[in-house]
Parts: sequence; C-alpha cells; structure tokens
Amino acid sequence: DVKVTQSSRYLVKRTGEKVFLECVQDMDHENMFWYRQDPGLGLRLIYFSYDVKMKEKGDIPEGYSVSREKKERFSLILESASTNQTSMYLCASSLIGRDSGSPLHFGNGTRLTVT
Amino acid sequence: AQKITQTQPGMFVQEKEAVTLDCTYDTSDPSYGLFWYKQPSSGEMIFLIYQGSYDQQNATEGRYSLNFQKARKSANLVISASQLGDSAMYFCARANTGGFKTIFGAGTRLFVKA
Repeated sequence: DVKVTQSSRYLVKRTGEKVFLECVQDMDHENMFWYRQDPGLGLRLIYFSYDVKMKEKGDIPEGYSVSREKKERFSLILESASTNQTSMYLCASSLIGRDSGSPLHFGNGTRLTVT
Repeated sequence: AQKITQTQPGMFVQEKEAVTLDCTYDTSDPSYGLFWYKQPSSGEMIFLIYQGSYDQQNATEGRYSLNFQKARKSANLVISASQLGDSAMYFCARANTGGFKTIFGAGTRLFVKA
C-alpha cells in the first residue's frame, strides 16, 4: 500500500516565520502535489511536480514555493507566513497515468495555524 | 481557471436509499480523467471511482457508479443503498492527461439518516 507521510500533524507558527512542510512517499510515484483545504472552498492546488527538480504552479501559488530534490520528497515552503495561510495542507502523490487514470494518494494532512 | 462545480453543499439521504451527487467541470483538454473521493470526519481522503474521458461505459465500483455525460461535462456520483458510514464529504476532481494537474470541487457533505 502506498504511504504518503507528512512530517507534522499540527503546526503553530508566528507571522513572518519561514515554514517548511515536508512530504515523503514510498511508492516511486512521479507526481506529487500540495493542496490546501478550507471549508467551503474544497481543495485548492498550490503546486505540483511531475519529476525531480520540476515544478508547476497550481491555482494559488502566491506566498508559497516548493522543492523536490529527491523523487520521494516534496516540500512546501511558506517564505513569510501570514495569518491567511492558516489552513489544512494536504500532500498527495500519483503515478503518471497513461490516460490520467491514476488516483491520488493523500497524506493525513498538516493543520497549520499562523498567529 | 478551469474549474469543478459541485452545486450541493449539503445533502440528506435516508439509509438504504440511493443518492446522486452532482459534479460539472470545464476543460479544454481532449483527454482527461474524472475522480470522486470521500473524506470522512477522520480527515483521510479515500479514492472511490474513476472515469476516463474516452471510456464508453459509465464506471462502477460496488455501490458507487459514475453517471458520465461528456457533452454536458457532468460526472455525477451515484451511491446506491446508502449506509450510515457513507456520511462524509465527497469531492469531485478532474485530472488532465498524465494526471499532471488535478483540481477539485468545493465538495458535498452527505448526511445519511437512520
């Protein structure tokens, strides 16, 4: 079974801090994703990566950056945390599907609070 | 931005009855995939069902079926014989070719009544 592990379940940071959210998957998946989940808004895609050192912006990349130095690890970075980045962050991975048929496997999420 | 629309923020269904959760999408990709995920109160995201844009038949997985109408760009989830354990948030999602970019709708919260 695929396992996607997010390093922290809960995180509290102060405004202006640099924040790192780490995600590791153990099934050699090419694609990795970072989403944030907010009530009433569903999951919104921040960034995704389809290969080592490759990254693409999602729908809400502002205020975030990512790093993928190894295939199994995808990090989300908040350069200077702000209160409007308080949210649940979900990491996911998937195979590159021949016909887009590979489902996402999710981590358990990191609930980040910025005060 | 291309988006997924789930027009039902919340729905109630009686146990053992069938329920349909609506999903419409927009896309300019000739090939894409449609997914439904379930998120119970525990927070984990569970993959339920997949439909490819070129699949001729509607997808089925146990009590779940996907009513795919390509021309209308809709991909409704049908849950037959609802169970109390089906109470959860349900998300519709669309992936482009290769699954490189997967986007989600806002979700529908389903309540199953005993």
